[in-house]
Amino acid sequence: QQQVKQSPQSLIVQKGGISIINCAYENTALDYFPWYQQFPGKGPALLIAIRPDVSEKKEGRFTISFNKSAKQFSLHIMDSQPGDSATYFCAASIEAGTALIFGKGTTLSVSS
Amino acid sequence: DAGVIQSPRHEVTEMGQEVTLRCKPISGHNSLFWYRQTMMRGLELLIYFNNNVPIDDSGMPEDRFSAKMPNASFSTLKIQPSEPRDSAVYFCASSRTGNREQYFGPGTRLTVT
Repeated sequence: QQQVKQSPQSLIVQKGGISIINCAYENTALDYFPWYQQFPGKGPALLIAIRPDVSEKKEGRFTISFNKSAKQFSLHIMDSQPGDSATYFCAASIEAGTALIFGKGTTLSVSS
Repeated sequence: DAGVIQSPRHEVTEMGQEVTLRCKPISGHNSLFWYRQTMMRGLELLIYFNNNVPIDDSGMPEDRFSAKMPNASFSTLKIQPSEPRDSAVYFCASSRTGNREQYFGPGTRLTVT
């Protein structure tokens, strides 16, 4: 019940294309859903986050879409660039000051 | 502002040795988290502290692992004795009280031979 399931495991997108990564959860008490970006040899860095009271949040080329009834959320990267090549993790938590539950990660490669 | 600081960045040790990983959270952050990352299991929580008090240590694999936070600016994760299956990248993260955003350090890559 505490799992966050992420797909796909890996993704190859051409430069300028749209990258889409999906996550699903079971526990309806989860109410904070961030996405983290990790480059090799670095720690995860917060990219964008959403709460269940909104269906979409956009920051630059990155958009989170949230479907509360389906218990799913996704990350869309518009106009994907080679510099976006990294591993992306979805995560969730129940309340402030509690740990994040992470998906298994998606390795994105953007070909030029 | 400095981010989360972890040391050492890399640690290679032999099975049976004691290993101590260190973390300095961002100043003013009251929650500190230790995560472990492996290919097989991904990112998983080991333990976290709120205001220097351990809240949830259910992720600590076994008694060989221990963590302390003696003050608001320092935490340690100790493995004694270490085993090859402990090889992983260990991350420390911190957040401000009431704030959901967690900021990760660069990690310590531990190799136990």
